[in-house]
Amino acid sequence: EPEVTQTPSHQVTQMGQEVILRCVPISNHLYFYWYRQILGQKVEFLVSFYNNEISEKSEIFDDQFSVERPDGSNFTLKIRSTKLEDSAMYFCASSEAGGRGDRTEAFFGQGTRLTVV
Amino acid sequence: GNSVTQMEGPVTLSEEAFLTINCTYTATGYPSLFWYVQYPGEGLQLLLKATKADDKGSNKGFEATYRKETTSFHLEKGSVQVSDSAVYFCALRRNSGNTPLVFGKGTRLSVIA
Repeated sequence: EPEVTQTPSHQVTQMGQEVILRCVPISNHLYFYWYRQILGQKVEFLVSFYNNEISEKSEIFDDQFSVERPDGSNFTLKIRSTKLEDSAMYFCASSEAGGRGDRTEAFFGQGTRLTVV
Repeated sequence: GNSVTQMEGPVTLSEEAFLTINCTYTATGYPSLFWYVQYPGEGLQLLLKATKADDKGSNKGFEATYRKETTSFHLEKGSVQVSDSAVYFCALRRNSGNTPLVFGKGTRLSVIA
């Protein structure tokens, strides 16, 4: 069964460093998303991406964050200068379509646990 | 704004017990409602969904009914198994365009034999 894969599963980085979290969405999917979950808190939406551009972003997704689809398979989230409060589990998701209907189901990866020290 | 509130965990049950995890929502319009499950070491998986009022979503013995009058989408299962131990997330999504999911905090369920 096709699945969304994320690497690495766990990343430890020093405050102020740049990190890139990587995701390989399901191959025929066109919509891509990043969510995060700070320990003990809600899963929060960060950004959605379609047709090589951001379609929606939350207040969390400030200038420190960027997303890219550098090739036909990867979807990355970059944090330019990490802060302690960026420590969280980051989930990538993809869906075949947007809007309504069965093809809009979002499939999630296993997550990358980012720890900023 | 849109939000989801679900009961605090953890919930610990014996095998074959009845499960209810409460979920209520606040939303403009008529959202679609979802339950996602996260098994240990895995990603979020869609468990069931309902897209309009009075719809019942069901999967793997779990059920939830979209109740517009009480703005609720409670998850139930008649007889839980040890393999149901996981974190359960209630979520909603507006039914217009490509909109993101809004999640609750998650409820950890532990089922003991």
